[in-house]
Amino acid sequence: SQQGEEDPQALSIQEGENATMNCSYKTSINNLQWYRQNSGRGLVHLILIRSNEREKHSGRLRVTLDTSKKSSSLLITASRAADTASYFCARNNAGNMLTFGGGTRLMVKP
Amino acid sequence: DVKVTQSSRYLVKRTGEKVFLECVQDMDHENMFWYRQDPGLGLRLIYFSYDVKMKEKGDIPEGYSVSREKKERFSLILESASTNQTSMYLCASSLALPAGGLTDTQYFGPGTRLTVL
Repeated sequence: SQQGEEDPQALSIQEGENATMNCSYKTSINNLQWYRQNSGRGLVHLILIRSNEREKHSGRLRVTLDTSKKSSSLLITASRAADTASYFCARNNAGNMLTFGGGTRLMVKP
Repeated sequence: DVKVTQSSRYLVKRTGEKVFLECVQDMDHENMFWYRQDPGLGLRLIYFSYDVKMKEKGDIPEGYSVSREKKERFSLILESASTNQTSMYLCASSLALPAGGLTDTQYFGPGTRLTVL
């Protein structure tokens, strides 16, 4: 079952703007991961942040984690039309399984 | 690079048919997963396997079974397909933890869109 939600469910921005997506969860985590899914395709791993980390960068992506608020955010800077996709956060609570949220659908208009 | 392949991109079956969805990974991963994805519901775990011949039920195992006879292959079986099993099915694999500092990143196949008429 899903143990958290992405917010917003949908986001529409202009090319060049920044996009911020949020993820909340209910139980403690070992790590939190963000994935991207292009329409009708499988998910692709973007970035992982461990529970003892607060911020991580990868290219135009910036992920933050606030374990006291049980929330994470994904920031995409200088967005491009090619960033149009759905973005999912996934929590590792224990063991080898991940719990995925419902995703944020991002549309970047050229 | 990890490659996860699924036997079909699109599949159309009739109610009551037995359906096999195949997934193969080429990175010697211990863990393999089957999810279904439906609008508004995100990804829901059907079954998980952490070793050959081993399996664990996920959140929604009813109406499904799985088989893992070889490490690289994980099959999802719909014994008697029903219309409410129309969905996108995603297979994934990952290393088992602990993994020497490596992570439990999951690698996904392209998905199979199954329609049951």
